[in-house]
Order: sequence, then C-alpha cells, then structure tokens
Amino acid sequence: GENVEQHPSTLSVQEGDSAVIKCTYSDSASNYFPWYKQELGKRPQLIIDIRSNVGEKKDQRIAVTLNKTAKHFSLHITETQPEDSAVYFCAATDSGYALNFGKGTSLLVTP
Amino acid sequence: GAVVSQHPSRVICKSGTSVKIECRSLDFQATTMFWYRQFPKKSLMLMATSNEGSKATYEQGVEKDKFLINHASLTLSTLTVTSAHPEDSSFYICSAVRGGLSTDTQYFGPGTRLTVL
Repeated sequence: GENVEQHPSTLSVQEGDSAVIKCTYSDSASNYFPWYKQELGKRPQLIIDIRSNVGEKKDQRIAVTLNKTAKHFSLHITETQPEDSAVYFCAATDSGYALNFGKGTSLLVTP
Repeated sequence: GAVVSQHPSRVICKSGTSVKIECRSLDFQATTMFWYRQFPKKSLMLMATSNEGSKATYEQGVEKDKFLINHASLTLSTLTVTSAHPEDSSFYICSAVRGGLSTDTQYFGPGTRLTVL
C-alpha cells in the first residue's frame, strides 16, 4: 500500500518568513496530492491540492510542487502569519480515493 | 457547497455501551464516505471505506464487528462503536467524496470526540 512520509514534524518560523513542508510517497500509481490544515480539535481543511498531470500550483501565499519522478511533493507558505500556525497534513491517493496521510507537521509562526 | 456534518460532536459513555455517530453530506450526494480516527497529536488513520448500498471495506486491523458501518443513502453514513472500551476513546472523523469521476476531493466532517469511561 501507499506510504507517505512527511518532514519536518515540527517547524517554527518568524512571521513574514517562508515555511516549507516536504512529503514523499511510495506508490507510483498515486495521482492526487492534497494538503490539509488542521487546528486543534477542528476538522482538516483542504488548503491546496495538485494532480499528477501538473508540476506546480499556486494560490496566493500557498504553493505546492510535485516531482513525480522523485515521488515527492512540497508545500510552500510565503509571508507567514500567526494564523498560519496549525498542523499541516499531506496526503496521497490513487484513483481509489482513500487518502493516505503523512504524520503531520506542527507549524508555529511567531510574531 | 460541499458541507459535511457529524453528530454528535462529543459523546461520553460508559464502558460496554454502544455509540452511533452520524455523518451527513448536506448539499451533495456522496457515493463514498470514509471513516478515520485520530489520536491526540497523531495523524488520521483510515478505518473503513463506506460505499452507498454495499458493505464497507475495512482497513487491516479494524474489527468490522466492533465498528459497524452503514451507508444506507447517498447523504448518510453511520459508524457504531459496539461495546466501547476506554481504548476506543478517540476523535472520529468522516469524509465524503462528491459524486462523479473527475474529482477526488474529500470534504471532512467536524469530527466526534468519543470518551469511554
């Protein structure tokens, strides 16, 4: 089955700096890679996703890159703000829909 | 659009009792729903895949007789934790996939915090 590795497990940045979270996956059949933000006690919220036919996608301060050959994808947050502090999960899935999540990255943005 | 609700949001029960959790897609039809559990400071672990009108598919290590899943309509899936024990205490989250072949986007419910005493 799919195995998703996520690094780092914790990340602390100063407000205004960029944050990068990286994930690798094992199943070359995976074709959909979403990123979720989860605040304490809340549901995961989809913040951006990318499909295997695209190498990069950007939405304002958030961008995701995908390298299919190396089987890794990354989340980039620019101009970080304190409200970006949360746990971020990457996930990968093949056409069967079931998401395989990484272990999460706890991001802390300090003012 | 794409709202998923869960009920109840929190439940506390005694050991040995059964608890039913409902997951509803409010503004779309969900041919597939998923049930996850999440322990504190851990990732989401898939428990089972629920398809409308058919039996759920359980992940390895998840007891189907303990975690009963019913997906009787395109907008409702239920998870029943039978004979709950303290080790079943967790955050249970459902997600729903909007019908159609061109999207894989999963929409999550708000979760149910189960505490078994």
